[in-house]
Amino acid sequence: NAGVTQTPKFQVLKTGQSMTLQCAQDMNHEYMSWYRQDPGMGLRLIHYSVGAGITDQGEVPNGYNVSRSTTEDFPLRLLSAAPSQTSVYFCASSYLTGGNTEAFFGQGTRLTVV
Amino acid sequence: KNEVEQSPQNLTAQEGEFITINCSYSVGISALHWLQQHPGGGIVSLFMLSSGKKKHGRLIATINIQEKHSSLHITASHPRDSAVYICAVEKSDKLIFGTGTRLQVFP
Repeated sequence: NAGVTQTPKFQVLKTGQSMTLQCAQDMNHEYMSWYRQDPGMGLRLIHYSVGAGITDQGEVPNGYNVSRSTTEDFPLRLLSAAPSQTSVYFCASSYLTGGNTEAFFGQGTRLTVV
Repeated sequence: KNEVEQSPQNLTAQEGEFITINCSYSVGISALHWLQQHPGGGIVSLFMLSSGKKKHGRLIATINIQEKHSSLHITASHPRDSAVYICAVEKSDKLIFGTGTRLQVFP
């Protein structure tokens, strides 16, 4: 039981490049989400999904794309990286039972855009 | 104004001290989470509570729904407790995070 697996752990991109951050969970959780963590701010929701085939935007979705083709995987795509996307990214998953369920987090991806 | 406010932002303590971290929120919630972020960056869930009090080892979390306030207590603190402690509230199946409290415990 690996929990939430997030890759890569570190990445440096040039402005304009694209990349995909991978997130996979093996707990059969319906709910998966992506956050970014910036200095002096709480984690902010980028995109989330309540099940396979269903995604929705969070607080800061611009410049990011997601898909949920399976229950297990929820990749985050940066379409054209910008320096403002330099951040630490976390994927999380949980059951969706009307709230009040423990969230499990990936190890984080430290992304630098130069 | 942030929907979730934590205090203090930074906290230093000597080993053995009793520590309290506070969290206030301004929205209706279904649950409140306390999370720990280690210096290496990983985030783990410590508690999830919607009422009353929970205890796990030296950690105690309380919540007062009427006052929209929660506290995380650490008894007999230890250097390995050094981390960032994050409060998050659950609203409409989404988590809203505080900015965290950075705790350093010195031997």
